Amino acid sequence: NAGVTQTPKFQVLKTGQSMTLQCAQDMNHEYMSWYRQDPGMGLRLIHYSVGAGITDQGEVPNGYNVSRSTTEDFPLRLLSAAPSQTSVYFCASSLPGQGQTEAFFGQGTRLTVV
Amino acid sequence: GENVEQHPSTLSVQEGDSAVIKCTYSDSASNYFPWYKQELGKRPQLIIDIRSNVGEKKDQRIAVTLNKTAKHFSLHITETQPEDSAVYFCAASSRTASKLTFGTGTRLQVTL
Repeated sequence: NAGVTQTPKFQVLKTGQSMTLQCAQDMNHEYMSWYRQDPGMGLRLIHYSVGAGITDQGEVPNGYNVSRSTTEDFPLRLLSAAPSQTSVYFCASSLPGQGQTEAFFGQGTRLTVV
Repeated sequence: GENVEQHPSTLSVQEGDSAVIKCTYSDSASNYFPWYKQELGKRPQLIIDIRSNVGEKKDQRIAVTLNKTAKHFSLHITETQPEDSAVYFCAASSRTASKLTFGTGTRLQVTL
C-alpha cells in the first residue's frame, strides 16, 4: 500500500514561475489537505477538500490554487512563485470525519524559490 | 478560527526522565486533539489522540490529558529513550471547522 505519495521531493523555482505539486492517495480517503511547514511556525493549512469537487481555503491560501477532480488526487498549484513560498509542503489525507480522524502525510516536497 | 499554542518550543531531558509538552486552544467547540511526532527529515505521524469525552488516554509510555474547562491538553512521555528525540506537534479540530489546526511544535532532545 503506497499511502500518500507526493512529487517532486525537491524543487527549485525562479521567482514568477508556476508549478504544480502532485499528491495522490490510494486509501480511498475523502478528506485531503495541504500544509506548509516553516521553522518555528508549525504546520499551517493552505487548502483542504472534504471530497471530490469540493475545496476550501485554510489559514494561508494566498498564492495557491487547488482542485479535486477525483478522490485520489489533490494537486497544489503555485501561480507565480515568490521567495516567501520557500517551504516544505506536506499533503495529508484522512477518512471522513471533518478532520477528526488520523491524518496520513506524504513524504513532503522541499521547495526553494530564488 | 482556532488558535493552538504549544510550549515549550525546545525541551532537553536525560534518558529515563519524563517529558511534558503543553498546549492550549481557543475554540470551545474543539473536540479532537491529536499529537504527531516528526523525526528529522521525515513526515509527521500520529502517536496518540484524545477526544473530548475522556480526560486521559495512555499508550505504553505515552499519555495525553485533557482539561476542557481550561482548554488545555498535555503530552506525557515517561522513561524517555533516545529514539523519542523528534519534533512533537499538538493539534485541535472541531466538527464545525472541518480542519486541523496545529501548534508550532516542540523539539525534544533526549540525551544519554
